Amino acid sequence: SQKIEQNSEALNIQEGKTATLTCNYTNYSPAYLQWYRQDPGRGPVFLLLIRENEKEKRKERLKVTFDTTLKQSLFHITASQPADSATYLCALDGGSARQLTFGSGTQLTVLP
Amino acid sequence: DAGVTQSPTHLIKTRGQHVTLRCSPISGHKSVSWYQQVLGQGPQFIFQYYEKEERGRGNFPDRFSARQFPNYSSELNVNALLLGDSALYLCASSLDLGRRLLGYTFGSGTRLTVV
Repeated sequence: SQKIEQNSEALNIQEGKTATLTCNYTNYSPAYLQWYRQDPGRGPVFLLLIRENEKEKRKERLKVTFDTTLKQSLFHITASQPADSATYLCALDGGSARQLTFGSGTQLTVLP
Repeated sequence: DAGVTQSPTHLIKTRGQHVTLRCSPISGHKSVSWYQQVLGQGPQFIFQYYEKEERGRGNFPDRFSARQFPNYSSELNVNALLLGDSALYLCASSLDLGRRLLGYTFGSGTRLTVV
């Protein structure tokens, strides 16, 4: 069955450092991979999308990589700030446009 | 512009009761999806509707049903509530089925507690 794993439930880093979050999947061939941010009591907020034929995507301090051979995506936040503290979710899109399959998320805390 | 609006924000129901959750998508968005998020887990897909037709269904029992209205708003209905139905129910809208490059816009959700 399809399985998505995001590294460690919680990640603490010091302000100014780069946070790296991992999303691994099995038994799946996503056409797209999306990353969302979710704050407590709120819905997920879309951050970035990367296609299966793209290796890397950047947006301001965010960078996403997608390795379909390793079945892995890495999500980087450079120059992290306490305001980046949230839960980050990866979501796979099989391309049929019917649904997203989410990982369980990684809770990131950026310490001042 | 208003984002995705969900109502109510919170509610408490008793086991066996029925509940209706409502969602208004972003103006111009024709596709609405429903997700269930249990505490500590990622959202799980329930339904997707486009142009008032069901276009996708997740692995949920028949107690869950939904519909989309001509104005593209949507309702999620859950019958015979179980304690395990306690969760945050999220609605997501998108322009149409193919415009995924912009991602999905989620509402803040309805927190359902079944006692």
